[in-house]
Amino acid sequence: DTGVSQNPRHKITKRGQNVTFRCDPISEHNRLYWYRQTLGQGPEFLTYFQNEAQLEKSRLLSDRFSAERPKGSFSTLEIQRTEQGDSAMYLCASSVRGSSYEQYFGPGTRLTVT
Amino acid sequence: RKEVEQDPGPFNVPEGATVAFNCTYSNSASQSFFWYRQDCRKEPKLLMSVYSSGNEDGRFTAQLNRASQYISLLIRDSKLSDSATYLCVVNPVNWGKLQFGAGTQVVVTP
Repeated sequence: DTGVSQNPRHKITKRGQNVTFRCDPISEHNRLYWYRQTLGQGPEFLTYFQNEAQLEKSRLLSDRFSAERPKGSFSTLEIQRTEQGDSAMYLCASSVRGSSYEQYFGPGTRLTVT
Repeated sequence: RKEVEQDPGPFNVPEGATVAFNCTYSNSASQSFFWYRQDCRKEPKLLMSVYSSGNEDGRFTAQLNRASQYISLLIRDSKLSDSATYLCVVNPVNWGKLQFGAGTQVVVTP
């Protein structure tokens, strides 16, 4: 399977705990994006990497959220001190520069904060 | 006002019929446009890019009207497998920060 992969697929955590999600993009894609989706809404942009550089962060990304892409390949998204409002589907997408920014999504990580 | 607005539906469509729906976007400087399809509890999948001249992919036709800032999707000869939520997506900047509408639900019935 050469698509975008995400792990874990599901995560249940207690409020106040830290969680980390991983995304492996399509191998030749240099751009990686994180989105968050809640029920009945479209995905909302969180942050974007070009290679290892994080070039844009949404105001949705509070200081409890941090994302990295250390070697320009896989990326991690960490949420510290989780809150119930963090419950959502976290989607990762990747694209190739010059492709009109067509983005391909992974299956997502569904986070439930209890 | 939301940046990308869609009629949530549902559009109930008999199998074999044609269905069409629009979305509107607020940023006149938007660079590129897409339709994604999303099945329940799955990730969005790219259905088609939308070009200024309009484009067709099999039973699907997309149109862009920059003057009125809307995008349309038409599905001909609807199949049961076309039942899904269709997300209108706009790229308002030049590096790929996509803005999604909340989706239009289509239900194709036998």
